[in-house]
Amino acid sequence: SQKIEQNSEALNIQEGKTATLTCNYTNYSPAYLQWYRQDPGRGPVFLLLIRENEKEKRKERLKVTFDTTLKQSLFHITASQPADSATYLCALARANDYKLSFGAGTTVTVRA
Amino acid sequence: SQTIHQWPATLVQPVGSPLSLECTVEGTSNPNLYWYRQAAGRGLQLLFYSVGIGQISSEVPQNLSASRPQDRQFILSSKKLLLSDSGFYLCAWSPSDSNQPQHFGDGTRLSIL
Repeated sequence: SQKIEQNSEALNIQEGKTATLTCNYTNYSPAYLQWYRQDPGRGPVFLLLIRENEKEKRKERLKVTFDTTLKQSLFHITASQPADSATYLCALARANDYKLSFGAGTTVTVRA
Repeated sequence: SQTIHQWPATLVQPVGSPLSLECTVEGTSNPNLYWYRQAAGRGLQLLFYSVGIGQISSEVPQNLSASRPQDRQFILSSKKLLLSDSGFYLCAWSPSDSNQPQHFGDGTRLSIL
């Protein structure tokens, strides 16, 4: 069965450093991959979408890579700030599909 | 701009009681609508999705049902709640095209006693 794994449950980093989160998948051939941010007690908020034919996407201090050979996506937060502290979820979908399959998330804590 | 409303924010219900959670979307037409459940420390589990009025697809067998009586209204129901129905329920919408981001409400925290 398909499996989506996000590296660790929690990541603690110093303000100003780069946080790198990993999303690995097996038994799945996604056409695109999305990253969401979720704050405690709130719904997830969409951040970035990357397609299988794209290697990298950037948005302000965020960068996403997608390697279909390694079956992995990396999510980077550069120059991290305490306000970046949240849980980050990756989600995958097949081509022409409405449904997303979510990983369990990685909780990032940025220390001032 | 589009907005999504989900209520109530929290709900405490006894075992065996009925349930009705409502979700409405504003500012868009013919959205795809979704109900998810999120257990603590786990990813979102898709429960139901709908691509149009009266069209409901169920992803997992369970004690719950969904209905879409209007284009921008999605309702999650149960006739008799179980303890295992406790969790954080999220409604989301996306444009009708495939491969689009989903936009979530702020969820309902459901506790079954």
